[in-house]
Amino acid sequence: EPEVTQTPSHQVTQMGQEVILRCVPISNHLYFYWYRQILGQKVEFLVSFYNNEISEKSEIFDDQFSVERPDGSNFTLKIRSTKLEDSAMYFCASRPGLNTEAFFGQGTRLTVV
Amino acid sequence: GNSVTQMEGPVTLSEEAFLTINCTYTATGYPSLFWYVQYPGEGLQLLLKATKADDKGSNKGFEATYRKETTSFHLEKGSVQVSDSAVYFCARLTGNQFYFGTGTSLTVIP
Repeated sequence: EPEVTQTPSHQVTQMGQEVILRCVPISNHLYFYWYRQILGQKVEFLVSFYNNEISEKSEIFDDQFSVERPDGSNFTLKIRSTKLEDSAMYFCASRPGLNTEAFFGQGTRLTVV
Repeated sequence: GNSVTQMEGPVTLSEEAFLTINCTYTATGYPSLFWYVQYPGEGLQLLLKATKADDKGSNKGFEATYRKETTSFHLEKGSVQVSDSAVYFCARLTGNQFYFGTGTSLTVIP
């Protein structure tokens, strides 16, 4: 069964460093998302991506964040100059079309020290 | 505005007990509604969904009915098992964006 895959599963980085979280969405899906979940808290929307551009972003998704779809398969989230409060589980998701459910990856746990 | 409100947890039940986790939503129009489940150490998995009023989603013994009149999508299961221990998230899809509730942690004890 096709699935969304994320790498790495766990990333530890020092404050101020840049990290890139990688995702391979399900092929032929058209909509892509990044969400984050700070430990014990709600799942928060970061950004959605469609047709090679950002379609929506939340207040959390400031200039520190960027997304790319560098080729036909990968979808990356870059966090520049990480802060302690960026520590969270980051989930990638994709959808085949409108009014369909989102398929989530297993998540990348980011720990900023 | 657009939001999803879930019953506060944590919830602890004995095996074979009846489960209800309340979820209400506010939204313009008629969003699609979902329940996702997150087992310990794992990502979010779709449990069930309903795309229009009066639809009933069901999976693995869980059910939820899309109630437009009460803007609710409560999750129910008649007899829970230890393996149902997880965090349950109600979510709605409006336009291109999913909005999640805060999650309800369920622990089922033997």
